[in-house]
Amino acid sequence: EPEVTQTPSHQVTQMGQEVILRCVPISNHLYFYWYRQILGQKVEFLVSFYNNEISEKSEIFDDQFSVERPDGSNFTLKIRSTKLEDSAMYFCASSGAGGAGANVLTFGAGSRLTVL
Amino acid sequence: QKEVEQNSGPLSVPEGAIASLNCTYSDRVSQSFFWYRQYSGKSPELIMSIYSNGDKEDGRFTAQLNKASQYVSLLIRDSQPSDSATYLCAVNRRRDDKIIFGKGTRLHILP
Repeated sequence: EPEVTQTPSHQVTQMGQEVILRCVPISNHLYFYWYRQILGQKVEFLVSFYNNEISEKSEIFDDQFSVERPDGSNFTLKIRSTKLEDSAMYFCASSGAGGAGANVLTFGAGSRLTVL
Repeated sequence: QKEVEQNSGPLSVPEGAIASLNCTYSDRVSQSFFWYRQYSGKSPELIMSIYSNGDKEDGRFTAQLNKASQYVSLLIRDSQPSDSATYLCAVNRRRDDKIIFGKGTRLHILP
């Protein structure tokens, strides 16, 4: 069954360092997303990406965050200068275009980010 | 009012019984609704999607939608210990097409 893959599974970094989280969405999906989940809290929308540009972003997704699709397969989330409160599980998700696939998110296993 | 509201639980249900999970949402024009299951430390996994008023059944799971009451529920029949997880209700917010999640209900199936 097609899956969304994320790397790394766990990253520990020092406050102020840059972090890049990587995702390979399902190959025929057109919409890509990043969500995050702080421990014990809800899954929060960060950003959606379609046709090589951001389609929506949340208030959380400030200037320290950026996303990129550098080639035909990878979708990355960069956090420029990490803060303690960025510690969370970051989930990449993708969905198909239109019809029954629209808005049905398939999630990757997540990347746990720990900022010290 | 929270956009997607769920009772956080835990909801304890004996094995073999019916578990009933509820969710309300605030966006009156939402059209797409989803239930995800999340095991501890894992990612959300889609169980059901529902788009029309009424019931939708898939195996032991039934999703129910009432748009007039802005209410969506999930019934799990013949509950199994493996059903113990957090169940996330998600709603497609129409104005910006974002999928917004509730905080989830922790379900514990008692053997």
